[in-house]
Amino acid sequence: GESVGLHLPTLSVQEGDNSIINCAYSNSASDYFIWYKQESGKGPQFIIDIRSNMDKRQGQRVTVLLNKTVKHLSLQIAATQPGDSAVYFCAENNAGNMLTFGGGTRLMVKP
Amino acid sequence: EAGVAQSPRYKIIEKRQSVAFWCNPISGHATLYWYQQILGQGPKLLIQFQNNGVVDDSQLPKDRFSAERLKGVDSTLKIQPAKLEDSAVYLCASSPLGVDTQYFGPGTRLTVL
Repeated sequence: GESVGLHLPTLSVQEGDNSIINCAYSNSASDYFIWYKQESGKGPQFIIDIRSNMDKRQGQRVTVLLNKTVKHLSLQIAATQPGDSAVYFCAENNAGNMLTFGGGTRLMVKP
Repeated sequence: EAGVAQSPRYKIIEKRQSVAFWCNPISGHATLYWYQQILGQGPKLLIQFQNNGVVDDSQLPKDRFSAERLKGVDSTLKIQPAKLEDSAVYLCASSPLGVDTQYFGPGTRLTVL
């Protein structure tokens, strides 16, 4: 079946550096993608989303890039802070507003 | 605005016992979702409600799992009888009608011994 996956399970960055978390998806019919942040003991927290008619979307310190040609999604975090340490999930929204999540990438920020 | 509420936060039971989880979505959110998140994995959708009707329950193991949202507001998810492989965090999420963004609660961590 079609699925959403992530390239790297763990990413370690120095505080202040930029972070890039990647995600591959396989359902070419998906038209909406979301990044969630999940801290230990908490539910996923919405970070940013993007629709398939866009290539890039920016938020506060975060940018999502969508490359439909290669079915690739990335989350860029500028000036990474210790509070950014968490597991990040990409998810694709299929028909009927059903989310399919990837396996997650753990971001560790070194002080 | 209050977020999605879930209780209990933690539950430990023995296999073959029954357990129930409760979720109160964000006020006014018509759509409610239950997810199962096994340790180290992403959440997996179990069931989706719109108001008090089931939109999708194709991934709900119906031989042991059941869920209801009788009045279209809060919801309960039940497992009877529980198996060891049901150990996971059960997440509830909600969204307004016609809005794609889902807002998650803190989850209930279930341990089946």
